[in-house]
Amino acid sequence: GAGVSQSPSNKVTEKGKDVELRCDPISGHTALYWYRQSLGQGLEFLIYFQGNSAPDKSGLPSDRFSAERTGGSVSTLTIQRTQQEDSAVYLCASSGGPETQYFGPGTRLLVL
Amino acid sequence: GESVGLHLPTLSVQEGDNSIINCAYSNSASDYFIWYKQESGKGPQFIIDIRSNMDKRQGQRVTVLLNKTVKHLSLQIAATQPGDSAVYFCAENIGNQGGKLIFGQGTELSVKP
Repeated sequence: GAGVSQSPSNKVTEKGKDVELRCDPISGHTALYWYRQSLGQGLEFLIYFQGNSAPDKSGLPSDRFSAERTGGSVSTLTIQRTQQEDSAVYLCASSGGPETQYFGPGTRLLVL
Repeated sequence: GESVGLHLPTLSVQEGDNSIINCAYSNSASDYFIWYKQESGKGPQFIIDIRSNMDKRQGQRVTVLLNKTVKHLSLQIAATQPGDSAVYFCAENIGNQGGKLIFGQGTELSVKP
């Protein structure tokens, strides 16, 4: 595709349920990033994949959060046992080099 | 601009005027900086970037200035248009920490016609 795509665009879930968020990066981009943006805030780094290297998970807020990237392309961010404070916009970005990151439209998660 | 909590700093300008958005970054080891524009309901959109070995870079209607001495970054938008209304974020990349970006809080730019 022409840009980074994410699905679903919106997700409403109940506290305690698990959710999966998907990211399709720009074709050929080797690096993929997940960020979280709470209302009126800047972006908070979560996790970073670069090629076949071990991911940088230093931004994941708890062990309820995990992510994987299959085949060096599509990535899934999973949040287990969701809490109300997990409500935010989850943004994915990809880059073809070490620098400029291109963002998708985000998934708006609301935990009731 | 810097802020805490949910209240973004705001900048209101008249259409056609020049806008200057400021950002203080945190880490002297940062070697790459980016400005993003985010419209309501959308993901951040790349505007312009600059490496730490430069102090100025120009694009179309935009200029980024970097002052490493005081760890300050600014974005200048010439002849601001209503379509420029958005939240603007600066981001820094710390050279020895891979590709992850550290984002500032954001500044909301409002352009009055």
